[in-house]
Amino acid sequence: AQSVTQLDSQVPVFEEAPVELRCNYSSSVSVYLFWYVQYPNQGLQLLLKYLSGSTLVKGINGFEAEFNKSQTSFHLRKPSVHISDTAEYFCAVSAPLSGGYNKLIFGAGTRLAVHP
Amino acid sequence: AAGVIQSPRHLIKEKRETATLKCYPIPRHDTVYWYQQGPGQDPQFLISFYEKMQSDKGSIPDRFSAQQFSDYHSELNMSSLELGDSALYFCASSLGPTDTQYFGPGTRLTVL
Repeated sequence: AQSVTQLDSQVPVFEEAPVELRCNYSSSVSVYLFWYVQYPNQGLQLLLKYLSGSTLVKGINGFEAEFNKSQTSFHLRKPSVHISDTAEYFCAVSAPLSGGYNKLIFGAGTRLAVHP
Repeated sequence: AAGVIQSPRHLIKEKRETATLKCYPIPRHDTVYWYQQGPGQDPQFLISFYEKMQSDKGSIPDRFSAQQFSDYHSELNMSSLELGDSALYFCASSLGPTDTQYFGPGTRLTVL
């Protein structure tokens, strides 16, 4: 069975500092991994995804993530954060259902709070 | 670019009432998914449809039902509403049942 663990429920950081949001996964099949961002009172926006190929994945808004199979991790990083990056970040893994369907299993989320 | 459309965006109902949530996928997307996000929680998979065929269900109560129509839009019907059904309900769509899911803005349901 697939599962996702986000190791930090909250990450406070000062503006222009680097940040890393940690995500570990478990999966018994080939893994597809995602990071979504949820701004206050809004929906989920796809930041980036890993399907195959290069283990370093670049996404929108200057974010990137590295897939590490040996450590079963998919940590999200940004070298310099802005106030506008304040949001909830969800790591997710694609889990197969019967009949060729898939669902997403989300981690508990990490609240990134960027302070001036 | 066109996104997933959900309506209504906000809905207030009394206990034991019924509610219908609608989802219009991104054009050409043939697969829709429903997720429920309780307060302070991560989204939980409810159900999905591909070409009007239903997938395995997630944590969806028997009081809820859903369907997908020939234009690929989907409706989530919720009956005998309970206080615990208060949540944000997301719809997502994809081009095929294994492609990346793109989420709508959600419908916030409040049951009083």
